[in-house]
Amino acid sequence: DGGITQSPKYLFRKEGQNVTLSCEQNLNHDAMYWYRQDPGQGLRLIYYSQIVNDFQKGDIAEGYSVSREKKESFPLTVTSAQKNPTAFYLCASSTGLAKNIQYFGAGTRLSVL
Amino acid sequence: GDSVTQMEGPVTLSEEAFLTINCTYTATGYPSLFWYVQYPGEGLQLLLKATKADDKGSNKGFEATYRKETTSFHLEKGSVQVSDSAVYFCALSDTGGGADGLTFGKGTHLIIQP
Repeated sequence: DGGITQSPKYLFRKEGQNVTLSCEQNLNHDAMYWYRQDPGQGLRLIYYSQIVNDFQKGDIAEGYSVSREKKESFPLTVTSAQKNPTAFYLCASSTGLAKNIQYFGAGTRLSVL
Repeated sequence: GDSVTQMEGPVTLSEEAFLTINCTYTATGYPSLFWYVQYPGEGLQLLLKATKADDKGSNKGFEATYRKETTSFHLEKGSVQVSDSAVYFCALSDTGGGADGLTFGKGTHLIIQP
């Protein structure tokens, strides 16, 4: 089945630690996105990538980094510079033909120990 | 910049009641409009969409009409079920097609009681 796989489902970060969230898609989509979801805040865009080896900052990129070395993969690293990382992180992808229809993974819940 | 405003929840209804969740937007040009649904512990699923004024999106008994004159895209369902309990997000993509991501409202938590 085609879809977007995020792992792990739950992740815990210690103070000063970097952690990486995985996002893999087998939909052959060109564009991929990372959103952060906080209670009562909706979704906010962290980073997006429209093509391999290229990505752009979203609205809240500080304290995060990404890479796009392969079309199917778009990992997100939450660095120690992100002082409030506790949130639900959602990865999405879309085709080049209809970029505005985004398909989402099941999410990763990150908590701080 | 673009923005989406939707009614705050939680919205609690009895089974078979009529549902309306209000959504208004601010955007330049002619955005596309969406409703996404999120069930507990899961990602978002596209519920319906409309790409131009007066379009009506529909799916699973839900409907929403793109009203440019009132900049609105209210979600409606004639008879809700317990299984409709979820968080509903209104969203828009700008005239450029959303290549730089969607703009979401804050979400409305819907609770349907049997």
